[in-house]
Amino acid sequence: GEDVEQSLFLSVREGDSSVINCTYTDSSSTYLYWYKQEPGAGLQLLTYIFSNMDMKQDQRLTVLLNKKDKHLSLRIADTQTGDSAIYFCAETPALFSGGYNKLIFGAGTRLAVHP
Amino acid sequence: ETGVTQTPRHLVMGMTNKKSLKCEQHLGHNAMYWYKQSAKKPLELMFVYNFKEQTENNSVPSRFSPECPNSSHLFLHLHTLQPEDSALYLCASSQGTSGEEQFFGPGTRLTVL
Repeated sequence: GEDVEQSLFLSVREGDSSVINCTYTDSSSTYLYWYKQEPGAGLQLLTYIFSNMDMKQDQRLTVLLNKKDKHLSLRIADTQTGDSAIYFCAETPALFSGGYNKLIFGAGTRLAVHP
Repeated sequence: ETGVTQTPRHLVMGMTNKKSLKCEQHLGHNAMYWYKQSAKKPLELMFVYNFKEQTENNSVPSRFSPECPNSSHLFLHLHTLQPEDSALYLCASSQGTSGEEQFFGPGTRLTVL
């Protein structure tokens, strides 16, 4: 079956790095995503990585993918108070004929940044 | 702004009421989705429409009834809901075949009394 798991809460000090972890079960995943949800808002795509990549960097964000262990992580460098939000890991199963992008989400990790 | 709007943003209803949630996307996408977000649980995919045709109903109770009159609009009709249906209902859209991104609306916070 398809399952995505994340820890529910992470607290970091402003200026430190944050690392949010995710594990998934579907070894045939094609894309893996990180979405951010701020209070009162919907989900916003932060970054994604294709399954044949090990790492992707985008400014303060670094995504690491360990396909053997089915482990995905999001590192936020120099974490700021504005980074406080819920971060969702999601994966797309192997391509199928439905014609739409099926996403399997984790429960989300609430990141709290304190001074 | 993601290009996906939802109304109302907040809704309180009794168990005998009938109400509808509305979603509109201005992105020219072909696929639209309804998700349910409950606290500390993964997002639950409820329905998928692709080119106005329902392609997935994820075992959703019949008290939730979706409608997609065109590729830009998606409704979720609600009737005789239960208190456990209280949640944030999110609408999303995607191009359909790129496999890269779904764009989400801000959600409707539903409370069933």
